[in-house]
Amino acid sequence: IVLTQSPGTLSLSPGERATLSCRASQSVPNTYLAWYQQKPGQAPRLLIYGTSGRANGIPDRFSGSGSGTDFTLTISRLEPEDSAVYYCQQYGSSLRTFGQGTKLEIK
Amino acid sequence: EVQLLDSGGGLVQPGGSLRLSCAASGFTFINYGMSWVRQAPGKGLEWVSGISGSGGMTYYADSVKGRFTVSRDNSKNTLYLQVNSLRAEDTALYYCAKSPDSGYPQFFDSWGQGTLVTVSS
Repeated sequence: IVLTQSPGTLSLSPGERATLSCRASQSVPNTYLAWYQQKPGQAPRLLIYGTSGRANGIPDRFSGSGSGTDFTLTISRLEPEDSAVYYCQQYGSSLRTFGQGTKLEIK
Repeated sequence: EVQLLDSGGGLVQPGGSLRLSCAASGFTFINYGMSWVRQAPGKGLEWVSGISGSGGMTYYADSVKGRFTVSRDNSKNTLYLQVNSLRAEDTALYYCAKSPDSGYPQFFDSWGQGTLVTVSS
């Protein structure tokens, strides 16, 4: 399953809402989709699993939704520390795959 | 606290081999599937391989199948990746990553710090 993320780069101001898209080349079984945040020089951090489940310690400003082939990560009330690259990942097929990433810049 | 310590990377010539290791602590290792994920310089994440908690299930990305072998020693709480027939395009930071249960790895809730593999003559 190929995952395509859009936009490539998103530039927003603190307090705004970010909407990141992840589109799959075929339906993702059981909505088995996760989202990660990666800051420069750091390992990725799990944000969302099972399309909408928040990982431990992730604030409720982060939410996931979607089904089939279209998935969305929404970050409300943006803060400067949200500046990062965000990746989606599917685990509905035996060969796990990641999207190419969306870079979120906070002005 | 979960800790994953990746090691074993280095500079290797094309066609060469390395064995990467990931030492785990802070959790019952055998109860969790594990994976390797790599990231080429300035690029995105690429899943490489996964192994179930018992070691009975393994999968590989098409790009590494036949060249890489994942294994684990549950008595030593250590995950391994034997990488053979290395190519320039295998140059990347290799992360080990823990899954939330013992089955074939799904998503990854903890990550190591990565070990850098550079393939160059």
